[in-house]
Amino acid sequence: GAVVSQHPSRVICKSGTSVKIECRSLDFQATTMFWYRQFPKQSLMLMATSNEGSKATYEQGVEKDKFLINHASLTLSTLTVTSAHPEDSSFYICSARDGGTGHLTQHFGDGTRLSIL
Amino acid sequence: GQNIDQPTEMTATEGAIVQINCTYQTSGFNGLFWYQQHAGEAPTFLSYNVLDGLEEKGRFSSFLSRSKGYSYLLLKELQMKDSASYLCAFMDSNYQLIWGAGTKLIIKP
Repeated sequence: GAVVSQHPSRVICKSGTSVKIECRSLDFQATTMFWYRQFPKQSLMLMATSNEGSKATYEQGVEKDKFLINHASLTLSTLTVTSAHPEDSSFYICSARDGGTGHLTQHFGDGTRLSIL
Repeated sequence: GQNIDQPTEMTATEGAIVQINCTYQTSGFNGLFWYQQHAGEAPTFLSYNVLDGLEEKGRFSSFLSRSKGYSYLLLKELQMKDSASYLCAFMDSNYQLIWGAGTKLIIKP
């Protein structure tokens, strides 16, 4: 089945640090990847849609310069949280759609729990 | 506009059956998904319905009525490990998922 790997699973760092999160599709080509954020006891919030070889599409209210997304290959997308602050602490989850089969199902990585001190 | 609604929390007994409802409104529709999410973990895919009717997959079944904007997830022979949040989401005309807030299912022995 479709497998999405997300790394790291947990990050604890000081305020002002930039943090990079990787999302890889292991056994399929993901033309589209999605980045979500989830605060405790709340639903998934889509941050941006990442298309291979083009600029990401950000949701309203999400700062493009703070959350940098790069989707340089069909199997890898990265999210960089620049100059992170405590309010950025959250659970970040990526998902990917298999562009080869045309299936619409999104498969999720295991998530990254980010804690900014 | 678009919206999607599901109950916040439900409680059921081990071994029983529970039905989690989801209603939605949208002008463009490309199917409805159900995901399971255990606390502190990422969602895992359960089912996808694009045509009306019931899709059965082991202990879990999912139903869709497009004319009513309604879906349900049916869980049979409940086990303690089924305690989780269940998220419904519909895919709109832009192939973007619109997520419900999730239903927290509590299973009691």
